Amino acid sequence: KQEVTQIPAALSVPEGENLVLNCSFTDSAIYNLQWFRQDPGKGLTSLLLIQSSQREQTSGRLNASLDKSSGRSTLYIAASQPGDSATYLCAAYGGSQGNLIFGKGTKLSVKP
Amino acid sequence: DGGITQSPKYLFRKEGQNVTLSCEQNLNHDAMYWYRQDPGQGLRLIYYSQIVNDFQKGDIAEGYSVSREKKESFPLTVTSAQKNPTAFYLCASSRTGARTEAFFGQGTRLTVV
Repeated sequence: KQEVTQIPAALSVPEGENLVLNCSFTDSAIYNLQWFRQDPGKGLTSLLLIQSSQREQTSGRLNASLDKSSGRSTLYIAASQPGDSATYLCAAYGGSQGNLIFGKGTKLSVKP
Repeated sequence: DGGITQSPKYLFRKEGQNVTLSCEQNLNHDAMYWYRQDPGQGLRLIYYSQIVNDFQKGDIAEGYSVSREKKESFPLTVTSAQKNPTAFYLCASSRTGARTEAFFGQGTRLTVV
């Protein structure tokens, strides 16, 4: 059964820092991996989708990588801003369950 | 604007009542999903539907029911059999197939009073 883990559970950084959020998954037979952002009390906003055949995707200050062989994905945020403060979730699609399986998220706080 | 609309935003349920959460999408997506989010537990799949008039149970379907009579709509009923319904409920949709991106609504917070 696919399991998705995100470490750390919480992260606090000063404004301007570059940072990396980690996501690991147990079943490498995934079709894609998606990163989301969630603000308190809100729904999920899709940030990046990486197909299984891709190694990375970029959108603005965000870069997500995927290494299926090691079961890992990272989300790199450049020049962090207070507005980046939110919970970031990764979700793997595919494997034996055929649906999005979520990690528990990393709560990011960027201090001015 | 294209997107997913969940209503209501807040919902209060008395003990023993059934309540229905609405989810509508205008993205022309075939697949729709319901997730439950609890603090510290992440998102868990309740039901999903890949096509009209068909749906499958997810990991925590007990105490819930759904219907998919229209492509645009996937309502979730929380029945009295669900013993701990207080949670944040999220609806999502996507195209079918493995390489598609999922989009979420803004959620409904259900509280038992």
